[in-house]
Amino acid sequence: GAVVSQHPSWVICKSGTSVKIECRSLDFQATTMFWYRQFPKQSLMLMATSNEGSKATYEQGVEKDKFLINHASLTLSTLTVTSAHPEDSSFYICSARNGGQPQHFGDGTRLSIL
Amino acid sequence: AQSVTQLGSHVSVSEGALVLLRCNYSSSVPPYLFWYVQYPNQGLQLLLKYTTGATLVKGINGFEAEFKKSETSFHLTKPSAHMSDAAEYFCAVIRSGGSYIPTFGRGTSLIVHP
Repeated sequence: GAVVSQHPSWVICKSGTSVKIECRSLDFQATTMFWYRQFPKQSLMLMATSNEGSKATYEQGVEKDKFLINHASLTLSTLTVTSAHPEDSSFYICSARNGGQPQHFGDGTRLSIL
Repeated sequence: AQSVTQLGSHVSVSEGALVLLRCNYSSSVPPYLFWYVQYPNQGLQLLLKYTTGATLVKGINGFEAEFKKSETSFHLTKPSAHMSDAAEYFCAVIRSGGSYIPTFGRGTSLIVHP
């Protein structure tokens, strides 16, 4: 079935550094990719939607300069958390879909900022 | 706009007992409905979905759900719980004919006792 790979699965870094998370669709072309943030014991919060070759569409309240999203190819999207601070610590999940098909989710990235 | 309500943030059952996780939705147009399961530190895995056709939908791991339009419900059931079913379960709704971006419920944590 459709597989979405997310890397890294866990990252710990110092406050002020930038962190890049990759999301790859391994066996299908992802025309649209989504980035979610999940706080402990809570649901997924959609951060942004990106279509290949276009600028990402950010949800209200999400800082586009803080969370840089690039979707340069049909199989890869990246989320860069710039100048990360402890409050950015969270579980970030990507998903990908081809056209109107259901989304397929990556396994998430646990980000811890010290 | 659509929304999802999952009744009960935690459901506790004994191994072998019936599992019932409740989901009610609101949508101005016929919805597409999904149940996802999330294991610790992982992304979401699709359990089952309803789009059109038969209202009783069977999914993986012995789970099934029934779409009841009159009750605006899509409850998830499993006749006999296994210890391995312990996880977080999310109900989601997509408005048919829309942007195909799901709205997730807050999630229900299923606890299975030996």
